[in-house]
Amino acid sequence: AQKITQTQPGMFVQEKEAVTLDCTYDTSDQSYGLFWYKQPSSGEMIFLIYQGSYDEQNATEGRYSLNFQKARKSANLVISASQLGDSAMYFCAHLLRNTPLVFGKGTRLSVIA
Amino acid sequence: GAVVSQHPSWVICKSGTSVKIECRSLDFQATTMFWYRQFPKQSLMLMATSNEGSKATYEQGVEKDKFLINHASLTLSTLTVTSAHPEDSSFYICSARDPPSRFGETQYFGPGTRLLVL
Repeated sequence: AQKITQTQPGMFVQEKEAVTLDCTYDTSDQSYGLFWYKQPSSGEMIFLIYQGSYDEQNATEGRYSLNFQKARKSANLVISASQLGDSAMYFCAHLLRNTPLVFGKGTRLSVIA
Repeated sequence: GAVVSQHPSWVICKSGTSVKIECRSLDFQATTMFWYRQFPKQSLMLMATSNEGSKATYEQGVEKDKFLINHASLTLSTLTVTSAHPEDSSFYICSARDPPSRFGETQYFGPGTRLLVL
């Protein structure tokens, strides 16, 4: 069974600083995808970034980058130059082929001015 | 990215009534949609996988007779909470899987429906 772990219930970061949100996963499959979603207080789930298991380079999307360490089964999200609007819940998710996303418990990020 | 809409965004109902929530993929066809439930300060828990033209697949512990799912077309799935009770109060989110793109099989989410059963 898939398992995805986010060990940080809450994180604080100073505005304009970088922050890393941790995520580890557990699967024996070789082909999978890893996702990060942002959920602000409004509740909508906003797709941020995707990493395929066969992608050799770490994914980047603007201020978001994914530190993918396959051997360690970790897929940490790095947010650079934090903004006040980045304050939200962040969920790491794991996807096997033809299965739905499985989410971690989430990390609440608070950006301090 | 792909757009998924959900209606209604808020619903308050009396205990014992049924509530229907619609999920639509607006700019793509989705043979598969997913329904999640999220309690306050918790993660999203998958309830069921909705397959166009066939029966939904429910996760363990989810009552299929209580949470009726209909996926009648490639752009619409509905979740009906039958005989709702206060413990059904939650945030219900649907998602649809976009065809494979450079983001793999990304699931795009609707804005969610907050259900309050009095």
